[in-house]
Amino acid sequence: QKEVEQNSGPLSVPEGAIASLNCTYSDRGSQSFFWYRQYSGKSPELIMFIYSNGDKEDGRFTAQLNKASQYVSLLIRDSQPSDSATYLCAVNADSSYKLIFGSGTRLLVRP
Amino acid sequence: SAVISQKPSRDICQRGTSLTIQCQVDSQVTMMFWYRQQPGQSLTLIATANQGSEATYESGFVIDKFPISRPNLTFSTLTVSNMSPEDSSIYLCSVEDLRDEQYFGPGTRLTVT
Repeated sequence: QKEVEQNSGPLSVPEGAIASLNCTYSDRGSQSFFWYRQYSGKSPELIMFIYSNGDKEDGRFTAQLNKASQYVSLLIRDSQPSDSATYLCAVNADSSYKLIFGSGTRLLVRP
Repeated sequence: SAVISQKPSRDICQRGTSLTIQCQVDSQVTMMFWYRQQPGQSLTLIATANQGSEATYESGFVIDKFPISRPNLTFSTLTVSNMSPEDSSIYLCSVEDLRDEQYFGPGTRLTVT
């Protein structure tokens, strides 16, 4: 059974700090990795994707991928209260278009 | 990214009845998917809606319970049949763009009483 694991949290950080969200996956064949943000009562919103080992930066967000360790992370710099949400890690399964989602990490940014 | 709409946004239904959820995209897309998000849980793929052919269902989901139509490249429906309280969930349509990125519609919140 392909799995994607996330710490459910909540992860609480002060405003302006760096929030670090982590995700591990079991399928070594996975090629595509996505981070979605989901506000309460809303649908998931794609915020980052990464395909290659290393770091990918987009504004305040940095995705990090280590395929050897089967680990992907999301860093949020200068965290804002508006970043408070559940962050879902998703990984493609069987090298296909199917996505397997982790259970999500709830982030709380304290003003 | 494509703009996705779903109807209805929410509904309350009695057990034993059926509800059809519509998903409309503002541009033609090859891949459309239906997900379920049960209360407090993550997303689970129900099926891939294939244009012009039968949907491809994931393990644990069957066509009799969740019939899907995909008449063209911008529209799909998911029917939740013979509903029970366990079907209370958010149902989400998603599409994949040419860069293999999936985007979600606003969802349909279903409560079965």
